[in-house]
Amino acid sequence: DSGVTQTPKHLITATGQRVTLRCSPRSGDLSVYWYQQSLDQGLQFLIQYYNGEERAKGNILERFSAQQFPDLHSELNLSSLELGDSALYFCASSVDSGETQYFGPGTRLLVL
Amino acid sequence: QKEVEQDPGPLSVPEGAIVSLNCTYSNSAFQYFMWYRQYSRKGPELLMYTYSSGNKEDGRFTAQVDKSSKYISLFIRDSQPSDSATYLCALVGGGATNKLIFGTGTLLAVQP
Repeated sequence: DSGVTQTPKHLITATGQRVTLRCSPRSGDLSVYWYQQSLDQGLQFLIQYYNGEERAKGNILERFSAQQFPDLHSELNLSSLELGDSALYFCASSVDSGETQYFGPGTRLLVL
Repeated sequence: QKEVEQDPGPLSVPEGAIVSLNCTYSNSAFQYFMWYRQYSRKGPELLMYTYSSGNKEDGRFTAQVDKSSKYISLFIRDSQPSDSATYLCALVGGGATNKLIFGTGTLLAVQP
């Protein structure tokens, strides 16, 4: 158990819908990272937050957004969902800019 | 050219074999090198982390980095069926962000 929690574990929804994925980092970690893992693209970095502020953006679509709250938990919002958004979404956390990132168990999203 | 190239496998070995997993990278700015293990449908789990050229040992696992050749390896001695998983190399560059750039992963099966 990495100490990073993610909810929900599974999500099934329809195209065009909007969903919110939630992540709670390890106690004491200030940085949260979101990754998408699909069969054809592998594990791709989406976005990083540090202590409530966006720090870096990766291959995140404009339909996706994220935020980190004062209690340091983070949410990833996915809107206007498409079939191709079906993937595993992982959250990771680290101590400030520490290189060691610990991953949560992931949320499996299926868009029908 | 991808920033990180990883032998895709899959790799099947008998129990007790020595396993060699490899990645090459193109950007000399990468400073930190990690290996993650991912069991099916689970989050990646950090195995090894190093930042200098040379070898780092942890039990049956040895991480090797050759910065001059831009080549990293993970060796598993006395492989066990429980080592069957996907192994991902991950690299981190310098700067304010510590986003991980992942290899595509090598699927390893250790046959009893």
